[in-house]
This record gives sequence, C-alpha cells and structure tokens, in this order.
Amino acid sequence: ETGVTQTPRHLVMGMTNKKSLKCEQHLGHNAMYWYKQSAKKPLELMFVYNFKEQTENNSVPSRFSPECPNSSHLFLHLHTLQPEDSALYLCASTPGGGALETQYFGPGTRLLVL
Amino acid sequence: QKEVEQNSGPLSVPEGAIASLNCTYSDRGSQSFFWYRQYSGKSPELIMSIYSNGDKEDGRFTAQLNKASQYVSLLIRDSQPSDSATYLCAVHGSSNTGKLIFGQGTTLQVKP
Repeated sequence: ETGVTQTPRHLVMGMTNKKSLKCEQHLGHNAMYWYKQSAKKPLELMFVYNFKEQTENNSVPSRFSPECPNSSHLFLHLHTLQPEDSALYLCASTPGGGALETQYFGPGTRLLVL
Repeated sequence: QKEVEQNSGPLSVPEGAIASLNCTYSDRGSQSFFWYRQYSGKSPELIMSIYSNGDKEDGRFTAQLNKASQYVSLLIRDSQPSDSATYLCAVHGSSNTGKLIFGQGTTLQVKP
C-alpha cells in the first residue's frame, strides 16, 4: 500500500463545503486514475491522466474537478457535493497507461456527504 | 447488457474446496483481463492477469480465458478462510487508453 498513498483516509463534508482529495504515487509511474466505488456498484472510472494530461473524463459531474500538477500527484477537488456522492474514492497508477498494465491502487478515501 | 458481468454471490465453499469465479464481458475486442481481490474496507489488489486464450496458473490460482465465448474465470484451489473477499473481474477494452471496466465483484466466503 505504500506505493500509492491517499489523504485523507476518511472525510465527512456538508453539501456546501469545498474539500480536496490527494493522491501520491512513489512508483515512478506516468498514468494516474480516479475511481469511485459505491456500495453494490462496480468500480467506476472517473478520470485518467497520462503524463499530466487528462486523457479520460468518464462523464463526471463538474462538482468533481481533478488536477494533476505532475506525474506523481493527483488531486480531486470537491464542491457542492450531493449525498449520493458518498463513496470510496480510489486512486490508482500504472507505468504508462497501456492496456496490459496492472493498476496499483491506493488505500482510498471514504467520503460521506451530509 | 452490463459491460462486465459477475454473479455478486455470496459464493460459499468449504475450506480445501475449489472456488470457481466467473465473468463475462461484452466488448469482443477486449485485450486484457484481470482479477483483483478486495478485502472488506481495503483497496483492490491484483491476483492474476491473462491476455491470451487458455489457462494461466500461479500457485493456487488459475485464470481461464475464452475470447470466443467472452468468458474469463478464476479458480482457487485448496480454498482457505483467508481467501474470503470480493473478487473483481476487470477487462481492458479495445481502445488504447488505460480504461479498465470492472464487474460488480463476487463475494467469496470460505468456511472452516
């Protein structure tokens, strides 16, 4: 788990709050991902960054705003969230974003929106 | 039709038995296939990857891929209580981006 770290591990926020999730990978990878995992639903890809450029936005509402300042860091800025956004948010990385690569997941941030 | 489909279970097997987990996918052009294990409250971790038709064995785990039938499975031999977890099937689609599609996961319970 130390290859990909995420902070905070738990977050409770109101619908009017603004917060940010942080992900850092120490694996020398060039692709980073945000996933959402809700109860009883498959893991959903949200965003993909490859060499700091966003290559995938899986129709995610604008209240989720990603930022990738460099290949090692990925942020997810949250504002005016809804209770249905409560979920486990997982960050992952791969060496280059290719089809055969294993995703290395961080421990996740468990988010509760009140 | 779901892109990656798994029976959510729970699948219950006695200790020492073979657990068989199944997954079907809809994109016929899919290139790579992965099985991840997720313990409750933890993040997914890779168990097996498979890219070509046939079987791939790694210790007690065997992944089987049949692209014609769009079917991938994971067999766990000599199941242990520590194997109790949710097993996620993930399929990389036919595009070149790193977009994995995950199934809902099958919960496995291995009873002592």
